[in-house]
Amino acid sequence: KAGVTQTPRYLIKTRGQQVTLSCSPISGHRSVSWYQQTPGQGLQFLFEYFSETQRNKGNFPGRFSGRQFSNSRSEMNVSTLELGDSALYLCASSRRQGPLSTDTQYFGPGTRLTVL
Amino acid sequence: AQSVAQPEDQVNVAEGNPLTVKCTYSVSGNPYLFWYVQYPNRGLQFLLKYITGDNLVKGSYGFEAEFNKSQTSFHLKKPSALVSDSALYFCAVRDLNKFYFGSGTKLNVKP
Repeated sequence: KAGVTQTPRYLIKTRGQQVTLSCSPISGHRSVSWYQQTPGQGLQFLFEYFSETQRNKGNFPGRFSGRQFSNSRSEMNVSTLELGDSALYLCASSRRQGPLSTDTQYFGPGTRLTVL
Repeated sequence: AQSVAQPEDQVNVAEGNPLTVKCTYSVSGNPYLFWYVQYPNRGLQFLLKYITGDNLVKGSYGFEAEFNKSQTSFHLKKPSALVSDSALYFCAVRDLNKFYFGSGTKLNVKP
């Protein structure tokens, strides 16, 4: 079974631009979460999608947004990029979502975004 | 409030020696605990999880973790470290709908 895939793997953008990252979950997984990883802040939760609906959101500004499609693939968008947005963006998928779920999250390789 | 603490930024061990990477947690309900490993420029790889049952959980690559409810800890262990185990290790807890990750511990295994 194929793992979580993320495209592109590397991106270089300049301040003020916008960017879209893509994530394809493991087949059969319907929950997709996004994280930002930086050396200083560690892993920070961005948002989670399940059945095309955002179920949870972290403490990030509105410049960070996402969506999920009917095939469970997800995209996240960052508008008006800032230098501080440079990070590794990780996508993770799991089968189910909900307070009683004990499912494991499986991570993709990440997209390395550099903002110049 | 839910939280995960990894008190050591870095752990150094010699190859062949046992290793322990520490994790403590705080959750409002039943703790669902996970360990992940991250190699440079890679995503996180799942190692093991505790949901219920035996306090000693066995996972991938010879790793195991011990759940201790009274100490609210979930330490990662391996009887004999390998140089290839050198990586960044994250402890996480799932509480209701969210995952909470620790800050990570860098494990250095020296030959």
